[in-house]
Amino acid sequence: IAGITQAPTSQILAAGRRMTLRCTQDMRHNAMYWYRQDLGLGLRLIHYSNTAGTTGKGEVPDGYSVSRANTDDFPLTLASAVPSQTSVYFCASSTAAGGLNTQYFGPGTRLTVL
Amino acid sequence: AQSVTQPDIHITVSEGASLELRCNYSYGATPYLFWYVQSPGQGLQLLLKYFSGDTLVQGIKGFEAEFKRSQSSFNLRKPSVHWSDAAEYFCAVGAGGSQGNLIFGKGTKLSVKP
Repeated sequence: IAGITQAPTSQILAAGRRMTLRCTQDMRHNAMYWYRQDLGLGLRLIHYSNTAGTTGKGEVPDGYSVSRANTDDFPLTLASAVPSQTSVYFCASSTAAGGLNTQYFGPGTRLTVL
Repeated sequence: AQSVTQPDIHITVSEGASLELRCNYSYGATPYLFWYVQSPGQGLQLLLKYFSGDTLVQGIKGFEAEFKRSQSSFNLRKPSVHWSDAAEYFCAVGAGGSQGNLIFGKGTKLSVKP
């Protein structure tokens, strides 16, 4: 079934540890996004990629990095996790960049940093 | 800057009753507007979207939304709510510029009474 997969589903992490959240899509979408969802704040953009080989910063990029080596994969790395990064992380993709393109979301990764 | 406001944090309706979820946006140009639904523990699913043309748009699961430029609103409606509609609903506007991401409201949680 076409769509977006994220791994792991959930993770408990000690503060200071490095963690990579994985995101893979098989729809050949050019644009991909990482959001975090926090209670009462909705979803906020962390990083985005309009096409393979390019990335950009969103609203809340500090403490996170991304790479886009190919079309399908868009991993999100926390270099040194802090408790404020406890959140639910969603990966999304769209056929192209631009506000008019529908975004499709993965099932999310629930991350707890202790 | 673009923004989305969902004034109601939590709404409870009886099964079979009608539903209206409010959404107001702030955007300089013609907005691209979306409604997503998130069931507990799940990712976001697109209900409907508005780009241009007919201001009343139909979506999945019997939902519709009406774009009112004069009121900067894009309210979601359903004539008869089912228990399975209990979820969180997010209104979003497509951001302009190179990011192309969605700007989300903080969400409205819908509870359905039997």
